[in-house]
Formats: sequence, C-alpha cells, structure tokens
Amino acid sequence: DGGITQSPKYLFRKEGQNVTLSCEQNLNHDAMYWYRQDPGQGLRLIYYSQIVNDFQKGDIAEGYSVSREKKESFPLTVTSAQKNPTAFYLCASSGSNQPQHFGDGTRLSIL
Amino acid sequence: GENVEQHPSTLSVQEGDSAVIKCTYSDSASNYFPWYKQELGKGPQLIIDIRSNVGEKKDQRIAVTLNKTAKHFSLHITETQPEDSAVYFCAAAIYGNNRLAFGKGNQVVVIP
Repeated sequence: DGGITQSPKYLFRKEGQNVTLSCEQNLNHDAMYWYRQDPGQGLRLIYYSQIVNDFQKGDIAEGYSVSREKKESFPLTVTSAQKNPTAFYLCASSGSNQPQHFGDGTRLSIL
Repeated sequence: GENVEQHPSTLSVQEGDSAVIKCTYSDSASNYFPWYKQELGKGPQLIIDIRSNVGEKKDQRIAVTLNKTAKHFSLHITETQPEDSAVYFCAAAIYGNNRLAFGKGNQVVVIP
C-alpha cells in the first residue's frame, strides 16, 4: 500500500537528549513536511522540504533539525535545545500541486 | 502571513442532523482551501478541498462553500452519523505553494 509511515508511534526523551523521529513515504512525492500539534493549537509547521537536499524552516523551527538525503525519507531530530518537546508530531507529503497527506504521528513525551 | 480561524471550537449535533463549521482567512491571495478530519490517535485525512474558482463543491454528505468577498469558507455535513465524530481542521494556501495555514480545529460530537 502507498502511504506515509511514521515511527515510532510513542517516544520518550530524557533531559538533555536528542531524539530522531522517522518519516518515510512511498508515494513518490517531492515535498515533505513536519508539523507539531498541541492540544487546542492546531498544526504548526516546523520544517518542510520541496526537493532532496533542500529544506526550509517553518514557523517554529527552533530546537529542531531535519535532513533530506533521500526522496522518500525526511527525519526530524528534536534537540535538547527544544525546551518543551512534549507534543504530537505529524509528517506529511505532497506531489506537485497535490494535497498534503499525513502519517499517523509520533507522540513524544519527556521522562 | 495567513491567519485562519475556526468557529465554533466544539459542536454537538444529534445523529441525522446537519453540522456546519465556518472558517475565516486573512490573506486575500489564498485560493486553495482543504478540510481535514482527524480521529483520535491518527493523522489528519483530507476529506474535501476547494479552489477559489468555484463557490461550492460536494462529495456525498459533505460540501464546502466559499465566499471570497467575505473571506470565509464552511464545511457542511448532512445526515450526520456517529462515525463523523472527530476533529475537523480547515486550512488555506496559495495554490501550488505548499505552505498551508491551519485553523485550530473543531471537535464535532454526533450524539446517537
């Protein structure tokens, strides 16, 4: 089946630790996105990438980093500089002039 | 940047009744408006979208209307069913520009 796979579904971070969230798509989409979702806040854009080896900051990029070495993969690292990382993280992808499609998210919590 | 607002934040309807969710946007350049449905613990799923060259679009029990002059668009769900209970998000963008601005979501509860 074509789709977007996010892993893991649940992730726990210790103080001072970096963690990486995985996002893989087999839809042959050029563009990929990371959003953060907090209760009552809607979806806020962290980073997006329109093509391999290129990415841009979204509205809340501080404390996060990404890479886009392959078309199908767009991992997100939550660094220790992100002081409030507890949230639901959503990855999306889209083809040219096509709607964004989302994965089922990773829930990150602090230990 | 674009600012999208949704009203009401929570909506309860009796099964079989209609539900209407309204969104307003600020950027008159926006011309693409998708709606997403999110069930608990899942990612949002696109349910319908509209471009500004039309005023209404329907897909079975779901319809979206757009008023460009007033800068608002609405989602209409008719003959609601319990499986329609979810959080619904509206968004706005300039078509072809991949940066969607999302509203904060509406919790819809369908009461059997």
